[in-house]
Amino acid sequence: DIQMTQSPSSLSASVGDRITITCRASRNIVRYLNWYQQKPGKAPEVLIFDANSLQSGVPSRFSGSGSGTDFTLTISSLQPEDFATYFCQQSYNTPRTFGQGTKVDIK
Amino acid sequence: QVQLVQSGAEMKKPGASVKVSCKASGYTFTGYPIHWVRQAPGQGLEWMGWINPHSGAINSAQKFQGRVTMTRDTSINTAYMELSSLTSDDTAIYYCARETLTAFHEVFQFWGQGTMVSVS
Repeated sequence: DIQMTQSPSSLSASVGDRITITCRASRNIVRYLNWYQQKPGKAPEVLIFDANSLQSGVPSRFSGSGSGTDFTLTISSLQPEDFATYFCQQSYNTPRTFGQGTKVDIK
Repeated sequence: QVQLVQSGAEMKKPGASVKVSCKASGYTFTGYPIHWVRQAPGQGLEWMGWINPHSGAINSAQKFQGRVTMTRDTSINTAYMELSSLTSDDTAIYYCARETLTAFHEVFQFWGQGTMVSVS
């Protein structure tokens, strides 16, 4: 199975901050990488697919980059509604696997 | 609009089975695979497998093989996931998710609201 490792596991930030979350795959997954946001009590929602493509309707402050084994999710200016948990997920092969999540909370 | 509506919360005894349903609307049910993902309390997301509603073909994670059954009823646009021999480790929210094809395989674009399964 491909292991997905996110860092940090949690971070505290303020509204307006720029934050970056990293996701590392245990093997080369090219750009088979998606990012999701999950708020408490809700199902995940897709933000980024194919490593760097913004899902329709998602604000442009979200961006993704990377290829191979190293990927990043960046929020350019954190908004109050962005405080949530973020997961990366590989679609390179089965079983599909997720990172352990990064919880972003208010400093 | 695409909607996935799941069945309600379940409480089960160890050793029992649970069957969760996922009713789709707003799109052609047989056109898109349905995936099942679970999330234990306070934990991350775990992919269980998928079903192709058109063919009925399935692919499940090795961890669940022999314990999970994924089926569908195309007459009522509903997918099902049944998990047997439950233990307390199976206590989790179970989600169905519809994939959308991308240039690199797929993304889980639409999700059900989740079904809480408690085993105690």
